[in-house]
Order: sequence, then structure tokens, then C-alpha cells
Amino acid sequence: KAGVTQTPRYLIKTRGQQVTLSCSPISGHRSVSWYQQTPGQGLQFLFEYFSETQRNKGNFPGRFSGRQFSNSRSEMNVSTLELGDSALYLCASSFRLEENTEAFFGQGTRLTVV
Amino acid sequence: AQKITQTQPGMFVQEKEAVTLDCTYDTSDPSYGLFWYKQPSSGEMIFLIYQGSYDQQNATEGRYSLNFQKARKSANLVISASQLGDSAMYFCAMREGIGSQGNLIFGKGTKLSVKP
Repeated sequence: KAGVTQTPRYLIKTRGQQVTLSCSPISGHRSVSWYQQTPGQGLQFLFEYFSETQRNKGNFPGRFSGRQFSNSRSEMNVSTLELGDSALYLCASSFRLEENTEAFFGQGTRLTVV
Repeated sequence: AQKITQTQPGMFVQEKEAVTLDCTYDTSDPSYGLFWYKQPSSGEMIFLIYQGSYDQQNATEGRYSLNFQKARKSANLVISASQLGDSAMYFCAMREGIGSQGNLIFGKGTKLSVKP
């Protein structure tokens, strides 16, 4: 059974550009959530999608957006990139949204903004 | 207030010995799940073990076990017979009931180094 796949693995962008990251969840999983990991702030929740609907959103500016497709694949977009957006972006896949459901992560996309 | 607290920024353990990584949590939700993840230098978050708030017994998965003390709100990870490959960051996380946001809330992590 394939795990969570995130593409690309590494990305270098210039300030002001926009970027799109992709996440393919485990087959059969309908929940995809995104997290940002930085040395200073640790792991912070961005948003969560379930069956193509955004169910939860973290405390991030509107430059961060996402969507989920009918096949459960998800994309997140960051517009007008800032240096502080440099981070490891992790995607997690779950079968359900309940508290007793494990979340399985991809290898992450390491974004560097220069 | 922090919802997940990991008080050990770094830990050292001798190969083949057991080690306990501490985690305390704070929630008023009666239904929640507690998770431990391992993050090697490659970046991937690897799921290790899960404990539900209503589970009567401590969770175990191979060399990993969770010492769950509900009254003290602690969920410590015990790794038995440490191996060199266990060297990594370890994160404790909590997911609260469906009435909350439902996302995983992470602690700041503990860096475990296994010495040969």
C-alpha cells in the first residue's frame, strides 16, 4: 500500500513568487491536513480537508490556501512568498477526522525562499 | 498555555538500553487521542504509537510502549533496547474530540541520540 506522496521534495523560490505543493494521500483516506514546520515555531497546523471541503484552518494569513480534489489529492498554494515562509511543509493523511484516527505523513516539501 | 509539553529538548541513551521520553498534555475534552511520531533528519514524520483517552491499557507497538497516566495528563514514550537507528526527533501530539478543530497539536520535540 503506497504511503503519502508529496511533490516536489525540494523547492527554491524568490520572494514575491507563488508556489503550489501537492499531496497524494493513502488510498482510501479522505482527510488531508497540512502543517508548516520551522525551527522557531515548530509544527503548526495550516488547514485540513475532508471530502473536498475545508474543515479546519489554522492561524495563517490568506496568502496560504489549499484545495482538495475528488480523488482526495490536495494542493496548497502560497502566494507572494516571504522569506519567513521558508519551511518544511508536511502533509498528513487520515481515514477519518475523529480524534482516535492516526495521521500518516509524507516526506514533506522543503521550501526555501530567497 | 501549551497543550503539549515536552520538557526534554535532548536526550542521550546507550545502545541496547531503554529510554523514556516525557510528554504532558492539557485538555478539557474528555475524548482525545495521543500520538508519538519519529522524525529522522530526512524530514518524514513516522507514526509510532497511539493512545486513546478511553483506552484502559497502555499502548504497545514492538519496542515502543506508551506510559499513559490520565490523572497526571502524561503520555510518556518508552523505547526499549535502543538502536542506533532510533536517533531522531520525537514528537508527542494530541488530537482533541470532534467538537474542537480536530487537528494534531504537537509538542516542540525531543532529540534522541543513541550512543554506540
